[in-house]
Amino acid sequence: QVQLVESGGGLVKPGGSLRLSCAASGFTFSDYYMSWIRQAPGKGLEWVSYISSSGSTIYYADSVKGRFTISRDNAKNSLYLQMNSLRAEDTAVYYCARVGYSYGPQGYFDYWGQGTLVTVSS
Amino acid sequence: DIQMTQSPSSLSASVGDRVTITCQASQDISNYLNWYQQKPGKAPKLLIYDASNLETGVPSRFSGSGSGTDFTFTISSLQPEDIATYYCQQYDNLPPLFTFGPGTKVDIK
Repeated sequence: QVQLVESGGGLVKPGGSLRLSCAASGFTFSDYYMSWIRQAPGKGLEWVSYISSSGSTIYYADSVKGRFTISRDNAKNSLYLQMNSLRAEDTAVYYCARVGYSYGPQGYFDYWGQGTLVTVSS
Repeated sequence: DIQMTQSPSSLSASVGDRVTITCQASQDISNYLNWYQQKPGKAPKLLIYDASNLETGVPSRFSGSGSGTDFTFTISSLQPEDIATYYCQQYDNLPPLFTFGPGTKVDIK
């Protein structure tokens, strides 16, 4: 069965850095586009970043552009999010999610991890 | 950027009631509209994709309709396990951009 397990969250000071990881299993990871989506405490969902199956195509939300970097290692079935210059407003649960596929990548997220909490505070 | 609105923001209904949530896009998004269920402390779960397609394994009491700017999500007979927040999400493909609605919290009366 499809499993996505995030790790790497924690408490970090404003201006600091953190690297999130997402370990994928139960499907052919290299065939799927992937995304990071976050949810601030008590708030709604916000898409963060998107990466193609090969890693050659990447997009970011304006709120994180220039500060966050998405990457993947298909040999390790892993997705990453390097977060630099962190701000208090980046505090959230970060989910990795698989982009649906049907004759090409689709516009929905069909599997989600359980999330990892990132807290940015002094 | 495309903005998404949802209404109501919350609702209370009785078990067995028909529940309807609407989602409106600020411009035509064709059928690029999906619905998710999020239970407290859990990750979101895909229920409906491309406006009206039921994800595999999702009970048939859930349905979606609409196209263009106006979309509807329906639970035909509310069950206790349906207590959750429901989000719509649109997809723009040039460039890829995903926007979620603000959510609708559903409670049992």
